[in-house]
Amino acid sequence: DADVTQTPRNRITKTGKRIMLECSQTKGHDRMYWYRQDPGLGLQLIYYSFDVKDINKGEISDGYSVSRQAQAKFSLSLESAIPNQTALYFCATSDSGLSTGELFFGEGSRLTVL
Amino acid sequence: TQLLEQSPQFLSIQEGENLTVYCNSSSVFSSLQWYRQEPGEGPVLLVTVVTGGEVKKLKRLTFQFGDARKDSSLHITAAQPGDTGLYLCAGAYSNAGNMLTFGGGTRLMVKP
Repeated sequence: DADVTQTPRNRITKTGKRIMLECSQTKGHDRMYWYRQDPGLGLQLIYYSFDVKDINKGEISDGYSVSRQAQAKFSLSLESAIPNQTALYFCATSDSGLSTGELFFGEGSRLTVL
Repeated sequence: TQLLEQSPQFLSIQEGENLTVYCNSSSVFSSLQWYRQEPGEGPVLLVTVVTGGEVKKLKRLTFQFGDARKDSSLHITAAQPGDTGLYLCAGAYSNAGNMLTFGGGTRLMVKP
């Protein structure tokens, strides 16, 4: 079983719909992240959380919101999806105790907004 | 926002050839990581470099961190089809709380 699990893996929706992407982890890491991946643009940080009560905006937070329901769960919401939010979304975790700052990624959620 | 440029963006080579991927920034990194991503999966860490001039080897992959800690390279010797994937560099900047900034990636295809 994957240490970082994302659901759904694929989703097609229509403009204006509310979408939630969920992420859960069994690694026991304190830090969690949501990234967006578009071809040629690498990974762009949407939001991150260093602990349950901590939420921080990343580079491209407009149009997104997050909730850190528990240390192991971090969800990403699109309140009113638009076509340019069509992308591959990744959840990642890290351990603040590790000096390398290595990120552990989920398998991704592919979102298509029509 | 820190800018991290990766080149080339695409690379298609024959099995057995050598290749080098570059990662450059105008700012100094506190550390730099290289990830590989295969289709349908998330990126997986290959290596972290921290010291200027550092060289690390992982089988046929050689990673080098520039002396000034502003650039890095990944060299693959005798590439194999299993090396096919997206290679991402990610730099941590101390003035950004050591949060990672990712390059745009190099998509490598190794043909048998």
